[in-house]
Amino acid sequence: RKEVEQDPGPFNVPEGATVAFNCTYSNSASQSFFWYRQDCRKEPKLLMSVYSSGNEDGRFTAQLNRASQYISLLIRDSKLSDSATYLCVVNESYNKLIFGAGTRLAVHP
Amino acid sequence: DTAVSQTPKYLVTQMGNDKSIKCEQNLGHDTMYWYKQDSKKFLKIMFSYNNKELIINETVPNRFSPKSPDKAHLNLHINSLELGDSAVYFCASSQDIAGVAEAFFGQGTRLTVV
Repeated sequence: RKEVEQDPGPFNVPEGATVAFNCTYSNSASQSFFWYRQDCRKEPKLLMSVYSSGNEDGRFTAQLNRASQYISLLIRDSKLSDSATYLCVVNESYNKLIFGAGTRLAVHP
Repeated sequence: DTAVSQTPKYLVTQMGNDKSIKCEQNLGHDTMYWYKQDSKKFLKIMFSYNNKELIINETVPNRFSPKSPDKAHLNLHINSLELGDSAVYFCASSQDIAGVAEAFFGQGTRLTVV
């Protein structure tokens, strides 16, 4: 079983759509969780951290369920500029960041 | 002012050669990493150093040797390059604060072995 698994994608959605990405992780001792965004031929960049209480940043909402070892990212009112690969990232132990394979999102007009 | 910088950005070399990639961070972070992103875009951790000390070595062939002269630098030397080493190599750094460690990445080095 992979350490971090994500929806395979790609997700092709029209502008304005709401899209949800899911992620599961295998190590129950994992300490912190993130969503990163990677544009084509660029480096990954932090989108948002994920907290047990859930957190929101504008159109983006992240949720964590420790019991189910499940992380989600919801994007509302999708923009063309949201097109990218979204990476689920888990901090398994001290500074050991494990990345999922990523889910590609393509937003079209 | 680039936070994590790695050089070169592109590297094309023949099989069997030895090459190095350099990485520097000016964020004052204690931890630095090397990740490999293959053709399927999967980012896999290779090494992690904390204050110049090797913390993580993820079953990487011993042709790959990281070197950390100080906590702001982590270089990657690769001996006897093989076709399968072709990938994008990302350097990153982070600082663990209360169990949360956001990683900042360099722009990547696209290595092509021919």
